[in-house]
Amino acid sequence: QSALTQPPSASGSPGQSVTISCTGTSSDVGGYNYVSWYQQHPGKAPKLMIYEVSKRPSGVPDRFSGSKSGNTASLTVSGLQAEDEADYYCISYAGSSWVFGGGTKLTVL
Amino acid sequence: QLQLQESGPGLVKPSGTLSLTCTVSGGSISSSSYYWGWIRQPPGKGLEWIGNIYYSGSTYYNPSLRGRVTLSVDTSKNQFSLKLSSVTAADTAVYYCARVYSGYGGYCFDYWGQGALVTVSS
Repeated sequence: QSALTQPPSASGSPGQSVTISCTGTSSDVGGYNYVSWYQQHPGKAPKLMIYEVSKRPSGVPDRFSGSKSGNTASLTVSGLQAEDEADYYCISYAGSSWVFGGGTKLTVL
Repeated sequence: QLQLQESGPGLVKPSGTLSLTCTVSGGSISSSSYYWGWIRQPPGKGLEWIGNIYYSGSTYYNPSLRGRVTLSVDTSKNQFSLKLSSVTAADTAVYYCARVYSGYGGYCFDYWGQGALVTVSS
């Protein structure tokens, strides 16, 4: 069970769009539509932003969207705002286990 | 509103056993719709899944920790617990408990506790 691969960092200016990738295998990301994304601000617990690849929980702005192609899932943040600066993690169900990404630090320039 | 709260010693000696309990309020731990999980985060590093438990006692563990981890559930107290044995400094981390939505909800971690820092040191 290997960790999912995320880029260590991503950045964008206010108002721009940024996409963060999450690459796994056919045993996790590619095998199930159960990829979720989490936002974590410093010193805080992670917050669910996207589940089942592209669904948003109530209260999450529609600036956040998710997608998947093959073994790679993606999180897109549109209309970047200062408060979007945080760490983002992907998690995939892998059949009675869960695999986490290494995290991506999103910087709003 | 569902709330989860971790509790337990903040300092554990090397080779000892780390023990944490998560108390769930605002909802029942016995719901068939959810698992209950533990995740940890070493200082300055990423998240690592430890394991999940169902209210019936069925457990799912990270293979990298299997053999050292034991999860248990006490439905009468609406609590679930983590024990990690033979700890070393590498087990120093913030430990989170979380609710895990089952298949109908996408197997996602939808509610999290605030986290508890556990330091392994003599």
